[in-house]
Parts: sequence; structure tokens; C-alpha cells
Amino acid sequence: KAGVTQTPRYLIKTRGQQVTLSCSPISGHRSVSWYQQTPGQGLQFLFEYFSETQRNKGNFPGRFSGRQFSNSRSEMNVSTLELGDSALYLCASSLLPYGTGGGETQYFGPGTRLLVL
Amino acid sequence: AQKVTQAQTEISVVEKEDVTLDCVYETRDTTYYLFWYKQPPSGELVFLIRRNSFDEQNEISGRYSWNFQKSTSSFNFTITASQVVDSAVYFCALSEAKRNTPLVFGKGTRLSVIA
Repeated sequence: KAGVTQTPRYLIKTRGQQVTLSCSPISGHRSVSWYQQTPGQGLQFLFEYFSETQRNKGNFPGRFSGRQFSNSRSEMNVSTLELGDSALYLCASSLLPYGTGGGETQYFGPGTRLLVL
Repeated sequence: AQKVTQAQTEISVVEKEDVTLDCVYETRDTTYYLFWYKQPPSGELVFLIRRNSFDEQNEISGRYSWNFQKSTSSFNFTITASQVVDSAVYFCALSEAKRNTPLVFGKGTRLSVIA
């Protein structure tokens, strides 16, 4: 069974630009979560999607947005990039959303390394 | 609020030594789940184990073992006879069952195994 895939793997952008990252979950998984990882802040939750609906969002500005398609694939978008957005963006998928009582295991993709210059 | 603390930022051991990575958690829920993930230099978080709060049995998987103690709110991870391939950053994480809150990670422990 194929794992979580993320594209692109590496990205270099300049301040003010926008970027779209893509995530394809494990087949059959309907929940997709996004995390930002930086050396200073560690792993921080961005948002979670289930059945094309955003269920929860972390403490990030509105420049960070996402969506999920009917095939469970998800994209996240960051507009007006800032230097501080440089990070590893990780996508994770699970069968069901967290908070459903079952402690769903999230499986992570390889991440997209974004560098903002 | 839920919180995970991994006090060891970096650990360095010589190959074949045993090493224990500490994880202490805080939660108000009685039902919760604890996880360990491994992050090699490639960046992908690799799932290692999931344990629910009602199962305090220790678990062993090959050279890996986990010690869950609710009395001290700890979920420690031991690697026996460490190998160079074990070099990675290891994350402990907590998920509360009843609250609509996402997975919370500790800051991670960077393990370096020297040949």
C-alpha cells in the first residue's frame, strides 16, 4: 500500500509570493492533517480536513489555508510568504479524524521543505 | 491543557549501548493515546507505536521497548543494542480522545549513535 505522498519535495520562493503544497493520503484514509516543523517551534498543527471540511485549525494567520478534494487529496496554500514561513511542511493521513475517540494513528509523508528568500 | 515534555534534547551513544528516551505528558482526559515517531534525516515521521491510556503493559518489538507508567505520566522508549541506523530525532506525542484537539508533539530527542 502506497504511503502518504507530498509534492513538491523542495521549494524555493521569495518573500511576497504564494505557494501551494499537495498531499495525497494513504488509499482509504479520509482525514488529512498538516503540520509545520521549524527548529525553533517544533511540530505545530496547521489544520485538519475530513470529508472536504476543515475540522480544526491551529494558531496560524489567515495567510495559511487549505482544502480537501473529494478523493481526499489535500492542498495547502500560503500567500504573501514571509521569511519565517521557511519550514518543513508535513502532511499526515488517518482513517478517521482525531477526536473521534479512537486515537487514530496518523501516518506522515516525507514533507515539503520550503525556503523563503 | 495537554503537553508533552521530552527533556533530553540530544543524546549520543556508542553503537551497541542501550539508550532510553524519556517522555512525560500532561492531560486532563482519562482516555488518551500516546505515540512515538522516528524522524530520520530524510524528514518523514515514521510511526513506531501507539498506546492507549488503559493499557499499561510494556511492549517490546525487536530491539525497541516501551515503558508506560500512568503513575508518573511517563512513556519512555528504550533501544537495546543501538545501531547507527537508529540515529534520528524521536518524537513522543499525545492525543486526547474526548476533546477535539490535534496531536501534540514533544520537542523531540536527537539520538546519535556512533560507530
